[in-house]
Amino acid sequence: GNSVTQMEGPVTLSEEAFLTINCTYTATGYPSLFWYVQYPGEGLQLLLKATKADDKGSNKGFEATYRKETTSFHLEKGSVQVSDSAVYFCALSDRGGSEKLVFGKGTKLTVNP
Amino acid sequence: DTGVSQDPRHKITKRGQNVTFRCDPISEHNRLYWYRQTLGQGPEFLTYFQNEAQLEKSRLLSDRFSAERPKGSFSTLEIQRTEQGDSAMYLCASSDSGRGADTQYFGPGTRLTVL
Repeated sequence: GNSVTQMEGPVTLSEEAFLTINCTYTATGYPSLFWYVQYPGEGLQLLLKATKADDKGSNKGFEATYRKETTSFHLEKGSVQVSDSAVYFCALSDRGGSEKLVFGKGTKLTVNP
Repeated sequence: DTGVSQDPRHKITKRGQNVTFRCDPISEHNRLYWYRQTLGQGPEFLTYFQNEAQLEKSRLLSDRFSAERPKGSFSTLEIQRTEQGDSAMYLCASSDSGRGADTQYFGPGTRLTVL
């Protein structure tokens, strides 16, 4: 079945540091790929997505590129802020059918001033 | 444009009791999903509706769980004879199959604690 494996946390960085959170997937067909973020005390929010190979999703300074050859969708940000402290989830959905999401376990990021 | 809402936000119950949660999706979203999230894990799919039809259920959804979406708008998730293992955050999400079908918008969740 489909699955997502993402880098285990927690990750602690200083403000303005470079962020990478690794995500790899196993899927039949060509899934859509997502990063969701969960800020403390809030619900899941879509951060970015990519729907086909070599697409780059970007939002709020975060980027991730859909790499079919390595089945990866790593999240990057050049300079993190304290406000980026949250839990980040990588996810995939099958195209067609229910398009239900399959999530990784999440990576908790803490950014210190 | 209001988002997905869920009620209640928190529920504490005793083992063996029945509980019901409600989800109101974004208006005109025809797809509605329920997920369950336990501490330290990502959300896991429970069930999915397109309009009023329940089209898919996870094997995680035991016979004690039932979900409905009677008029294709709001949905309810009922858990009968709750067990301590049912303690989790129950998330609802909705999407529009007409455009951006793969983009799901999540509600704030209902946190269930079974004592």
